[in-house]
Amino acid sequence: EVQLVQSGVEVKKTGESLKISCKGSGYKFTSNWIGWVRQMPGKGLEWMGVINPGDSDTRYNPSFQGQVTISADKSIGTAYLQWGSLKASDTAVYYCVRHPNTLMDYFDYWGQGTLVTVSS
Amino acid sequence: DIQMTQSPSTLSAFVGDRVTITCRASQSISSWLAWYQQRPGKAPKLLIYLASILESGVPSRFSGSKSGTEFTLTITSLQPDDFATYYCQQYNTYPHTFGGGTKVEIK
Repeated sequence: EVQLVQSGVEVKKTGESLKISCKGSGYKFTSNWIGWVRQMPGKGLEWMGVINPGDSDTRYNPSFQGQVTISADKSIGTAYLQWGSLKASDTAVYYCVRHPNTLMDYFDYWGQGTLVTVSS
Repeated sequence: DIQMTQSPSTLSAFVGDRVTITCRASQSISSWLAWYQQRPGKAPKLLIYLASILESGVPSRFSGSKSGTEFTLTITSLQPDDFATYYCQQYNTYPHTFGGGTKVEIK
């Protein structure tokens, strides 16, 4: 059974750094692109970027370029989303998603989400 | 970016009703469109991809169609489990973009 299991709730202060994770199982981790989707409180879905865990090829939504870093460690089947300096506006639920086939694709599996709360 | 305009933003319906949600793309996306269902506090779930292909395990009361740049999600005979928010997503052009969502409420 394919699963994406994300790290737990985070409560941080503005200016702090953060790295959240997404561990894939039940399939060959290096065979599928893994993306990240943001959902701000009471709002819709926004695609942030994606990584190919096989070769670490990474693409970003221009709206998020420079704001976050996406990475992966294929040896442990885990993708990451990180911030160098959090802002209050980073408060959101972040989902990791799997592309079933290619880079330009829908998302067939979603992680359970990681709630990140940032306050001053 | 391609804009995906979903309507209505909210709809109220009875159990057993037929419901239609529309998503219009700002330019051609061929059939590269997916629909997702999100229940409160849960991750979205894939319902339909390539505009009209039902994901495995999704009930057949869900269907998708396309006419030009307008896409439709139809739920025949709405069930209690179907009260949720629905999103469309285009994956034709970078970056992927979603519609604003349609919340289906109990009437």
